[in-house]
Amino acid sequence: VQLQESGPGLVKPSGTLSLSCYVSGDTISSTFWWSWVRQAPGRGLEWIGEIYHVGITDYNPSLKSRVTMSVDKSTNQFSLKLNSVTAADTAVYFCARGIRYPPRFDYWGRGTLVTVSS
Amino acid sequence: EVALTQSPATLSLSPGERATLSCRASQTISSDLAWYQQKPGQAPRLLIYGASNRATGIPARFLGSGSGTDFTLTISSLESEDFAVYYCQQRSSFSWTFGQGTKVEIK
Repeated sequence: VQLQESGPGLVKPSGTLSLSCYVSGDTISSTFWWSWVRQAPGRGLEWIGEIYHVGITDYNPSLKSRVTMSVDKSTNQFSLKLNSVTAADTAVYFCARGIRYPPRFDYWGRGTLVTVSS
Repeated sequence: EVALTQSPATLSLSPGERATLSCRASQTISSDLAWYQQKPGQAPRLLIYGASNRATGIPARFLGSGSGTDFTLTISSLESEDFAVYYCQQRSSFSWTFGQGTKVEIK
């Protein structure tokens, strides 16, 4: 199983951050949940949200008002949109495959750096 | 939301020594805790899940224990490749949280 993030590396303040994660070696319609996690420079890991292939989502309460996640079964990808971004959203963004029980993320993408700057 | 508190923030040890990392949950989470290792410029790597189950390919020197609110990751004898940052993680109430991390550095 491999996950690969893609998307712009630079986003302007107040704009929308858009990333996609391509999944290979597994189908996005399997029994797993698909998550986004970010890591600001020199900081720890922050879970952003997750999606199940039928479109059920859970989001971090602290980001919920700005986050939208979606799944594209035809391309085996899932996506993240984060709007109204500020410099505080500058981070490496990882996608990951989640298992509900026992809970864990067993596969991760390599991560992609997104910088918010004018 | 369940908060996870890791201690210590930094652990300075020599190769061959034993490392003991702690993770405390703000509410009981049964055994639903995972541990990850992260090296600079890399994604986190799953080490332990269900508090004490080693993930595929993880060496036996990594031991997870605990339940309820107190959990421990023990590295029985540090190898050079074990110097990294370690995070605990849990899932409850439709949300995942991570601890703030423990850095294991070479003394």
